[in-house]
Amino acid sequence: GESVGLHLPTLSVQEGDNSIINCAYSNSASDYFIWYKQESGKGPQFIIDIRSNMDKRQGQRVTVLLNKTVKHLSLQIAATQPGDSAVYFCAESPLGSARQLTFGSGTQLTVLP
Amino acid sequence: KAGVTQTPRYLIKTRGQQVTLSCSPISGHRSVSWYQQTPGQGLQFLFEYFSETQRNKGNFPGRFSGRQFSNSRSEMNVSTLELGDSALYLCASNPMGGMNTEAFFGQGTRLTVV
Repeated sequence: GESVGLHLPTLSVQEGDNSIINCAYSNSASDYFIWYKQESGKGPQFIIDIRSNMDKRQGQRVTVLLNKTVKHLSLQIAATQPGDSAVYFCAESPLGSARQLTFGSGTQLTVLP
Repeated sequence: KAGVTQTPRYLIKTRGQQVTLSCSPISGHRSVSWYQQTPGQGLQFLFEYFSETQRNKGNFPGRFSGRQFSNSRSEMNVSTLELGDSALYLCASNPMGGMNTEAFFGQGTRLTVV
């Protein structure tokens, strides 16, 4: 039968506001998690990663939070800029490395002027 | 340092044909993974190669195959193309294929099957 497109969650934020993108992962055995940003026509670009022995990690303007109890991952972007507009994917690794990733369906972030 | 290079960027093929896509990883990286990205299924893992050996394979039919050369460059092949194979094919390279290291993606090859 016909394939149905994935329903891509969308998030619109005002420039300068903070953004929070959420992700529920599926494999309780996953121990490595990555957030990727994908702009139109480009491959995914690494943003930040976190290991399962941590619950928070900060980068430049970005913070990843991991809640293993409920298998939830979030990406916080501070002072969102127009260049942050993209699709954001969380990815989990069942093998403890980035060589085989299981991706979430993605969230479309739109930054409003 | 050059990034991950995928060729060609765009490709149009006819149903029933076969296609070969190429990926040159970042210099020094020995692990190459391939992914298929479609609007319907999202990003899905195809297979991963390390030191010329396939280490992991996703849930795709045998029409999808790959290989890796001694210089770590990798190719993937799709035989007997179907309309549903139209997708963006992405390759990612990983420094050692070891623990907790990020994967760097190329820009992908956009395959259209008509």
